[in-house]
Amino acid sequence: GENVEQHPSTLSVQEGDSAVIKCTYSDSASNYFPWYKQELGKRPQLIIDIRSNVGEKKDQRIAVTLNKTAKHFSLHITETQPEDSAVYFCAASMRGGGADGLTFGKGTHLIIQP
Amino acid sequence: DAGVIQSPRHEVTEMGQEVTLRCKPISGHNSLFWYRQTMMRGLELLIYFNNNVPIDDSGMPEDRFSAKMPNASFSTLKIQPSEPRDSAVYFCASTPQGSGTGELFFGEGSRLTVL
Repeated sequence: GENVEQHPSTLSVQEGDSAVIKCTYSDSASNYFPWYKQELGKRPQLIIDIRSNVGEKKDQRIAVTLNKTAKHFSLHITETQPEDSAVYFCAASMRGGGADGLTFGKGTHLIIQP
Repeated sequence: DAGVIQSPRHEVTEMGQEVTLRCKPISGHNSLFWYRQTMMRGLELLIYFNNNVPIDDSGMPEDRFSAKMPNASFSTLKIQPSEPRDSAVYFCASTPQGSGTGELFFGEGSRLTVL
């Protein structure tokens, strides 16, 4: 099955600086790579996703890049703000056709220092 | 829509007791997933259903766990007998199969503590 590794497990950055979280996956057939944000005590929520036919996607201050050859993808958050503090999960799946479950990384606890 | 609804939100029970967690997916979503979240193991997929049919239960840890989806608007996850190592937050999520978006909509979770 798919295996997703995520680094770092904890990331502390100064408010206004950028944050980068990296993930690798094992199954070359995976073609869908979402990122979820989970605030303390809340449910995970999708913030951005990318498919294997795209190398980069951006939405305001967040962006995701994908390198299919190397089987890794990254989340970039620029101009970090206090509300960005949360746990971020990357995931991978083969969601091109029927529904199947996402395999999640173990999460990165992002701390924004004021 | 109210979103994915899970109950109970919190459950404290003693080892050996039966636990039943419930989930109501978003209306019109025909794929339903059960995840377990712990600090050590993160978010683990336990089982998922398409059109009420279990597709992959390889993530169910052992025979003490079972899940059913008797109709499109209701699913249960049962643990019998429960053990302290089952303590975790259990999330239910749904998505419209074949929508192309891929987004999973999670419920608020059921926090289970087994003493």
